[in-house]
Amino acid sequence: EADIYQTPRYLVIGTGKKITLECSQTMGHDKMYWYQQDPGMELHLIHYSYGVNSTEKGDLSSESTVSRIRTEHFPLTLESARPSHTSQYLCASSESMANTEAFFGQGTRLTVV
Amino acid sequence: AQSVTQLDSQVPVFEEAPVELRCNYSSSVSVYLFWYVQYPNQGLQLLLKYLSGSTLVKGINGFEAEFNKSQTSFHLRKPSVHISDTAEYFCAVSGYYTGRRALTFGSGTRLQVQP
Repeated sequence: EADIYQTPRYLVIGTGKKITLECSQTMGHDKMYWYQQDPGMELHLIHYSYGVNSTEKGDLSSESTVSRIRTEHFPLTLESARPSHTSQYLCASSESMANTEAFFGQGTRLTVV
Repeated sequence: AQSVTQLDSQVPVFEEAPVELRCNYSSSVSVYLFWYVQYPNQGLQLLLKYLSGSTLVKGINGFEAEFNKSQTSFHLRKPSVHISDTAEYFCAVSGYYTGRRALTFGSGTRLQVQP
């Protein structure tokens, strides 16, 4: 069983609030990712990290930011939440090679009202 | 650049019938291919992966997939489905030299198994 955890699982928050979605893994993986999943299921990469102090934007432009101060921790922050940010956010991690699978957390379903 | 196309957004099937979920990819370099399953309100779980070697790959829950390089396909099959197989299925690709060292996912296929 994969050891990657996301909190909270569900979050309903008002417009303009600052939020941080937490993601932690205990597998020692260098690579970590954040995907945004639309209601129609498609996953879009919004951030990724190759290791500590390394973060890059993904394919889908996002107003969120990430940090990677520790190997095991990859939080995502929205400074001012808006209804357009309502979505499911999935965190994943993998070993450093491209031929290894990614392990996913259970996701955070964010609703901004 | 690499991309993944899942040809069917929804596949309804009766219990104990066979099923095939189709996936085509495009990439200018050698790729690694994956199938993931997502149950409601859950993250993604790996079903199987193709890295190299035999083109027929067996995974969990009785699923298998065949890598076809000439047709750039990686279709997922199961000879007899169960109600519990109802879920979303995602095909994904990663490439070693693509400069984009993350999985690229297809848009998903919803498998609906009916009694």
